[in-house]
Amino acid sequence: DAGVTQSPTHLIKTRGQQVTLRCSPKSGHDTVSWYQQALGQGPQFIFQYYEEEERQRGNFPDRFSGHQFPNYSSELNVNALLLGDSALYLCASFRGISNYGYTFGSGTRLTVV
Amino acid sequence: AQTVTQSQPEMSVQEAETVTLSCTYDTSESDYYLFWYKQPPSRQMILVIRQEAYKQQNATENRFSVNFQKAAKSFSLKISDSQLGDAAMYFCAYRSSDSGGGADGLTFGKGTHLIIQP
Repeated sequence: DAGVTQSPTHLIKTRGQQVTLRCSPKSGHDTVSWYQQALGQGPQFIFQYYEEEERQRGNFPDRFSGHQFPNYSSELNVNALLLGDSALYLCASFRGISNYGYTFGSGTRLTVV
Repeated sequence: AQTVTQSQPEMSVQEAETVTLSCTYDTSESDYYLFWYKQPPSRQMILVIRQEAYKQQNATENRFSVNFQKAAKSFSLKISDSQLGDAAMYFCAYRSSDSGGGADGLTFGKGTHLIIQP
């Protein structure tokens, strides 16, 4: 049973560029959340998708946007990249009716230069 | 807004000994979930243990147990018989109660780096 899969694992972008990160949830999961984890910090909640709609959003600017597809996979898009966007981006999936917490992927390490 | 505080940036313990990691949180809600996650160098967050706020009994998972004090808003993790493989970052996390299909995101603390001395 595959867990949460994220791609790519590492990425280097230039300031001002746009980036798309991808996530495939664990089999049977229908909810996907995205988190930003700066070096030495805990993850910060970006947003969460369920039934292809953004259901909740953390304190992130609208340069951060996302999408969920009918197969429950998800994308995180970041426009006009800033140096401060350099971080580990974690995807987590969840089954809406379950109470067992999220299953996380290994993340995408984004470096903005 | 909820906040989670982990006041120990780093803890060190001898192999086979017991260590307790601290976590406090602030919320105005009465129903919620609390979690401890482990993040090894592989970066993947691994669920260690979870606690429902409405349950008074402290959760246990093999060598891992929690001390949940709802009134004090405290949620500490005790690791017994520490093993080298327990070395990692440990994060305490909070989540509002599930509204049924649109569960809220997790709020994390800043983490505690656990070192196991052989």
